[in-house]
Amino acid sequence: NAGVTQTPKFQVLKTGQSMTLQCAQDMNHNSMYWYRQDPGMGLRLIYYSASEGTTDKGEVPNGYNVSRLNKREFSLRLESAAPSQTSVYFCASSAPGHTDTQYFGPGTRLTVL
Amino acid sequence: KNEVEQSPQNLTAQEGEFITINCSYSVGISALHWLQQHPGGGIVSLFMLSSGKKKHGRLIATINIQEKHSSLHITASHPRDSAVYICAVRGEETSGSRLTFGEGTQLTVNP
Repeated sequence: NAGVTQTPKFQVLKTGQSMTLQCAQDMNHNSMYWYRQDPGMGLRLIYYSASEGTTDKGEVPNGYNVSRLNKREFSLRLESAAPSQTSVYFCASSAPGHTDTQYFGPGTRLTVL
Repeated sequence: KNEVEQSPQNLTAQEGEFITINCSYSVGISALHWLQQHPGGGIVSLFMLSSGKKKHGRLIATINIQEKHSSLHITASHPRDSAVYICAVRGEETSGSRLTFGEGTQLTVNP
């Protein structure tokens, strides 16, 4: 099993460009999450999807959109990138149940110039 | 004030030392997680606690629900323990498995 995979690993964008970060999991998890991690701050939730067909805003959703394409895949789109979106982005997934353990992808380092 | 606060922010130790990282939170919780972020960036879950104490190898995690406090201990520390340790909580009122994260504690263990 690959667990949670993310593409790309690194990306440089110019202000105003758009891009989609891809995430896929092969653990049959219902819930998937997108986080951003910035220096001096904890992981912050951008969007999450509790199950296929549903998405909800997290703590910092502005400037982002998501699509839960199917149970495996959850993508994050930046429509018009801004320098404030320079960050490391992590996708995670979890199965419903008492442990709530989240499994993280390797991260995408995004720089917006 | 953040809902989840960790201390210290940075910790440097010598190999073999006993290490303690603390986590305090301000809301009622249903679970607390400790995670490790490797120098390469990958994040893995170490423990999930709702009460008491858990042990895995040289790692011990404890939680005091009444005091809203958890500690992560590392015995006989080793340079390979160098990483960022992150505390996260699931609030009682939180839907699904959403977590709130602390800023992390950067641990460096020198040989």
